[in-house]
Amino acid sequence: GENVEQHPSTLSVQEGDSAVIKCTYSDSASNYFPWYKQELGKRPQLIIDIRSNVGEKKDQRIAVTLNKTAKHFSLHITETQPEDSAVYFCAASRNSGYSTLTFGKGTMLLVSP
Amino acid sequence: DTEVTQTPKHLVMGMTNKKSLKCEQHMGHRAMYWYKQKAKKPPELMFVYSYEKLSINESVPSRFSPECPNSSLLNLHLHALQPEDSALYLCASSQDLSPETQYFGPGTRLLVL
Repeated sequence: GENVEQHPSTLSVQEGDSAVIKCTYSDSASNYFPWYKQELGKRPQLIIDIRSNVGEKKDQRIAVTLNKTAKHFSLHITETQPEDSAVYFCAASRNSGYSTLTFGKGTMLLVSP
Repeated sequence: DTEVTQTPKHLVMGMTNKKSLKCEQHMGHRAMYWYKQKAKKPPELMFVYSYEKLSINESVPSRFSPECPNSSLLNLHLHALQPEDSALYLCASSQDLSPETQYFGPGTRLLVL
């Protein structure tokens, strides 16, 4: 089955800095890669996703890049703000029959004012 | 309506109790999911329903019993739970089972005494 590794487990940055979270996946058939943000006590919320026919996607301060050959994808947050502090989960899914999400273990991002 | 709702928000139950968790969505999604999430861990898939039929059961103990009465509603019946079953139970839905965005409900925080 699919295995998703996520690094780092904790990331501390100063407000205004950039943050990068990296994930690798094992199943070359995976073709959908969402990123979820989960604030303490709240639901996971999709912040951006990318499909395997695209190498990069950007939405304001958030961007995701995908390298299919190396089987890794990354989340980039620029100009971080304290409200970006949360746990971020990457996930991978394949389009084959019953498709489900395999999550990484999460990255706790702390943005200090 | 673009939200997944869950009730109750919090639940405390004894090991001999029977209780049910409820999940509802009115987005016309045909796939619905139950996840279990422990603190500082990613969501862990329990069950998947597609077109109101159980598609995936991730070897979940029989003390958890899912039910999908209609395309908008998903229940999780709980009976004879153990303290280690205490967790956040998340419901999610997606358009269908192909890799599509999964939208999560706010969860039910369950404590088993």
